[in-house]
Amino acid sequence: EVQLLESGGGLVQPGGSLRLSCAASGFTFSSYAVSWVRQAPGKGLEWVSAISGSGGSTYYADSVKGRFTISRENSKNTLYLLMNSLRGEDTAVYYCAKLYGSLYEAFDIWGQGTTVTVSS
Amino acid sequence: EIVMTQSPATLSVSPGERATLSCRASQSVSSNLAWYQQKPGQAPRLLIYAASSRATGIPARFSGSGSGTEFTLTISSLQSEDFAVYYCQQYSNWPPYTFGQGTKLEIK
Repeated sequence: EVQLLESGGGLVQPGGSLRLSCAASGFTFSSYAVSWVRQAPGKGLEWVSAISGSGGSTYYADSVKGRFTISRENSKNTLYLLMNSLRGEDTAVYYCAKLYGSLYEAFDIWGQGTTVTVSS
Repeated sequence: EIVMTQSPATLSVSPGERATLSCRASQSVSSNLAWYQQKPGQAPRLLIYAASSRATGIPARFSGSGSGTEFTLTISSLQSEDFAVYYCQQYSNWPPYTFGQGTKLEIK
């Protein structure tokens, strides 16, 4: 079964850092682009970042550029999101999502999400 | 950035009836359009990709149509499990990938 399992969320103070992880199973991880999508409480979906299967290409939303870093470790079937200089508006459920194939595709598999709360 | 606009914000429909949800893109996205369903406390689930192709395991009562800037998701005969929030998303011109604000489908 194809699965994504996020971890690493929690409560962090404004200006702090957090690293999210997403463990993949059931598919050849290195063959697929993957992404992070977040959802603030009571709000819609917002794309955050994406990375190609090789890890050689990365992309960010303007709202997180320069503060967040996406990376992957294909030998461990794991996706990461390092979040620095966190702000209150970063409070959300963070989902990792597998793209159907390349970066030019829909998000076909989603994890259950991990909650990040930025508050003093 | 391509802006995706969904209408209506809330749609009230009785079980067994047809539901039609709309999504408009601020510029052409060709057929690079997906629909997702999200139930409370759950992750989104892919329903439709490439504007009209059903994802694996999605019932035939879900159908998508459109191209360019106008898209429709139709649920032919609503079941109780279909009441949820639906999002459209474009993957034609990125970054960023952009989502609509969602349509809440509620029981009438």
